[in-house]
Amino acid sequence: QQQVKQSPQSLIVQKGGISIINCAYENTAFDYFPWYQQFPGKGPALLIAIRPDVSEKKEGRFTISFNKSAKQFSLHIMDSQPGDSATYFCAASSNFGNEKLTFGTGTRLTIIP
Amino acid sequence: DAGVTQSPTHLIKTRGQHVTLRCSPISGHKSVSWYQQVLGQGPQFIFQYYEKEERGRGNFPDRFSARQFPNYSSELNVNALLLGDSALYLCASSLEQSLHFGNGTRLTVT
Repeated sequence: QQQVKQSPQSLIVQKGGISIINCAYENTAFDYFPWYQQFPGKGPALLIAIRPDVSEKKEGRFTISFNKSAKQFSLHIMDSQPGDSATYFCAASSNFGNEKLTFGTGTRLTIIP
Repeated sequence: DAGVTQSPTHLIKTRGQHVTLRCSPISGHKSVSWYQQVLGQGPQFIFQYYEKEERGRGNFPDRFSARQFPNYSSELNVNALLLGDSALYLCASSLEQSLHFGNGTRLTVT
């Protein structure tokens, strides 16, 4: 049973536009929701993370929006740049003695000039 | 600051062989986790160790085992390799639920 559903699978955005990636989760015990960015041949890099006590978190051009009642969260990349072209993964975990991350299936983002 | 380091970066093995992958966490991080990432998919949790004790195990067969050493480094062992074990194996170290990944070991089983 997939516990974190991510969409879209791929996304093409023009330079300067807004990239939006969505995730939905099922396990109400999840209390930590990070986003990771992965370039080919590299490991995932932590981009930004949120806990359910806030509805939005912004770091530079990256914003997470969180809707606890709908069990959904999304990543917004403002002023998207070609260097943002990568695969993005949402994830979730619950702090019950272990830090197992459950990942979404990934979104391949391509920023075109 | 040095990030999570993994060795080797690439490895080719034959079916039935055994493999050992190594990981050094970020200095000060006491928790190490292992993930398997098959091409085109998200990472899947294999193990987590904290202070040398297993804290969690994912849905992987007993052919997969791991351990953590007093200096918090870790090894992942896989016995009786199958073609389906070909993947990128990622190690992550963590502090307060924030996981930081290494660049992984690319294992190819032929």
